[in-house]
Amino acid sequence: AQSVTQLGSHVSVSEGALVLLRCNYSSSVPPYLFWYVQYPNQGLQLLLKYTSAATLVKGINGFEAEFKKSETSFHLTKPSAHMSDAAEYFCAVSGGTNAGKSTFGDGTTLTVKP
Amino acid sequence: DTAVSQTPKYLVTQMGNDKSIKCEQNLGHDTMYWYKQDSKKFLKIMFSYNNKELIINETVPNRFSPKSPDKAHLNLHINSLELGDSAVYFCASSQAGGSADTQYFGPGTRLTVL
Repeated sequence: AQSVTQLGSHVSVSEGALVLLRCNYSSSVPPYLFWYVQYPNQGLQLLLKYTSAATLVKGINGFEAEFKKSETSFHLTKPSAHMSDAAEYFCAVSGGTNAGKSTFGDGTTLTVKP
Repeated sequence: DTAVSQTPKYLVTQMGNDKSIKCEQNLGHDTMYWYKQDSKKFLKIMFSYNNKELIINETVPNRFSPKSPDKAHLNLHINSLELGDSAVYFCASSQAGGSADTQYFGPGTRLTVL
C-alpha cells in the first residue's frame, strides 16, 4: 500500500519569502511522486513530478522538489513567493501493482500575505 | 480547445433524484478517472477506465455507475442522491494509465444535494 502525508494543512508566507511545503510518502516499491496545484474553483494541474531520473525536479512557476529516499520525502520549495501562488497543493504517489492509481495527500493551503 | 471538459459545472438537485455528469477529453488519452473532492478538499479516486474497460473501482456505493461509451468519454451516473453526495467531482485523464503518467483534470462539477 502507498500513502502520502502532507505536514501542515495550512501554510502562510509573506510575499517574497521562501515557500516550503512538506510531503512524506510510504511505498513498498520505487515511487513516482507528483505535486499538483489547485487554484480556486479549478481542477488540479501538474507542477512537477519525479520519475526516478534526477532527484531534484524543477517544475512550472519556479517550483522545485527534491526526492530524498533516505527521508522518504518530496518537499516542494520556491525561493520567493508570489501572490499568485496562493492555492491548494497536493502531493501524490503512484507505482507498483496499483499502476495508474495515484494516492493523494490531504492537501496544503498556501496563503501569501502582501 | 479545452483538454478535459465536464458538464455541467454546477448541479443542484433534491435528495432521491438521479443525475449524470459528463466528461470528455480531447487529448487522445487511453485512461480516464473520476475523483470526489469533499468539503475539506480531500481528493479520493472513485473509478478508472482504460480504453473503455473498468480498471479501478474503489469502495463506492453502487448508486454510482460510470459509463465509458468510447475512450474519449467517461460519464458518471448517480442514482437516489443523498446529502453526503454533495461534493466536487473531477474527471481526469492520462495517456496510458501508467504510474508515471501525469493526470489532466477537468474543471470539476460542484454537486449540491438539498
